Amino acid sequence: NAGVTQTPKFHILKIGQSMTLQCTQDMNHNYMYWYRQDPGMGLKLIYYSVGAGITDKGEVPNGYNVSRSTTEDFPLRLELAAPSQTSVYFCASSRGQSGNQPQHFGDGTRLSIL
Amino acid sequence: DAKTTQPPSMDCAEGRAANLPCNHSTISGNEYVYWYRQIHSQGPQYIIHGLKNNETNEMASLIITEDRKSSTLILPHATLRDTAVYYCIVTRLNNAGNMLTFGGGTRLMVKP
Repeated sequence: NAGVTQTPKFHILKIGQSMTLQCTQDMNHNYMYWYRQDPGMGLKLIYYSVGAGITDKGEVPNGYNVSRSTTEDFPLRLELAAPSQTSVYFCASSRGQSGNQPQHFGDGTRLSIL
Repeated sequence: DAKTTQPPSMDCAEGRAANLPCNHSTISGNEYVYWYRQIHSQGPQYIIHGLKNNETNEMASLIITEDRKSSTLILPHATLRDTAVYYCIVTRLNNAGNMLTFGGGTRLMVKP
């Protein structure tokens, strides 16, 4: 029962560097999401995808890019890392567009930018 | 968006039922009530959801009032591993699918 898998679990990045956070799901879900969670706060939506080849911005997309070439994978790219992007990043997926479809989350990537 | 109100924290004795309340007085007819929890810094874990009727699964029960303006999540026999932040979310359906907006939640402390 893999579900949603995120890698890496932890990473330290220098200011100005780039990296890609990986997310893959094995539930054949159409919808995938990236959230960030700052200390003591709720989750905020960065980007989402409703299917392969289709992505759209969420609440806080600045400084990030995504792609969705397959149903399974939804990587999140940080191009020029800034200290404000220090956060915990969660990927989630759901079956489709219905109020009756829960999102299922990965265990997160803890990213520190120094 | 329908906003939810939850107590910031609650305590519960181990082995007793934990009843977590949530107010959502502005909920619309087609909006679902979802419950998630987050244990320490892990990813949010889906617990249960419902529209109008009460729901039960292996984790919990969800009681929704007839007017749908409030609900209660019941953990029937709380254990120490149930210590977590519990989020009550009224979902909004849009282009992104089932939108989740996480508020402050209720920090449940299960005590021995």
